[in-house]
Amino acid sequence: AQRVTQPEKLLSVFKGAPVELKCNYSYSGSPELFWYVQYSRQRLQLLLRHISRESIKGFTADLNKGETSFHLKKPFAQEEDSAMYYCALSGRGGSEKLVFGKGTKLTVNP
Amino acid sequence: DVKVTQSSRYLVKRTGEKVFLECVQDMDHENMFWYRQDPGLGLRLIYFSYDVKMKEKGDIPEGYSVSREKKERFSLILESASTNQTSMYLCASSLISGGANTQYFGPGTRLTVL
Repeated sequence: AQRVTQPEKLLSVFKGAPVELKCNYSYSGSPELFWYVQYSRQRLQLLLRHISRESIKGFTADLNKGETSFHLKKPFAQEEDSAMYYCALSGRGGSEKLVFGKGTKLTVNP
Repeated sequence: DVKVTQSSRYLVKRTGEKVFLECVQDMDHENMFWYRQDPGLGLRLIYFSYDVKMKEKGDIPEGYSVSREKKERFSLILESASTNQTSMYLCASSLISGGANTQYFGPGTRLTVL
């Protein structure tokens, strides 16, 4: 069964501190992993995906197949990073549906 | 730039009413999706569609139906609204293409059923 687990509902850090949002998944095969973000009063949008190996707004995420994890990291959190973050997975191929985790609300305090 | 629009930002209906939520995308995407978003539960897939007149049940289809008569439009229908359908409803679209499956979301419709 496909499953995405985000163990933290809430995460609070101070500005300038490192931040890590955890994501673990269960999938039989080679999944595609994504992080989506929803800022206050804005629509849900893609932050990054593992196949691109990119860094967006200072965030990175590495797929660890051994630990079945895709944690999102940023070395120095900013107040504007405060948002709801969702980890998601799909199977290979563009027609696969996404399975979302329950989300982590990140608050970056001044 | 992909644009996904939803017919209403806020909607208030009474128990038992038939409710239509409309979603339109302007990028010729094959796939369209309806989710509901609830605190602590994340996004749950209600229905999706890979093509015109085609639909597939998601994880929580009970109490809902959908219609896709045109490629750009995907409607969610609550046949007889109930209070437990009070939620934020999100529509999304994506391309069928090899590689990344990026979904583009609409702004959401917050439905309250009284």
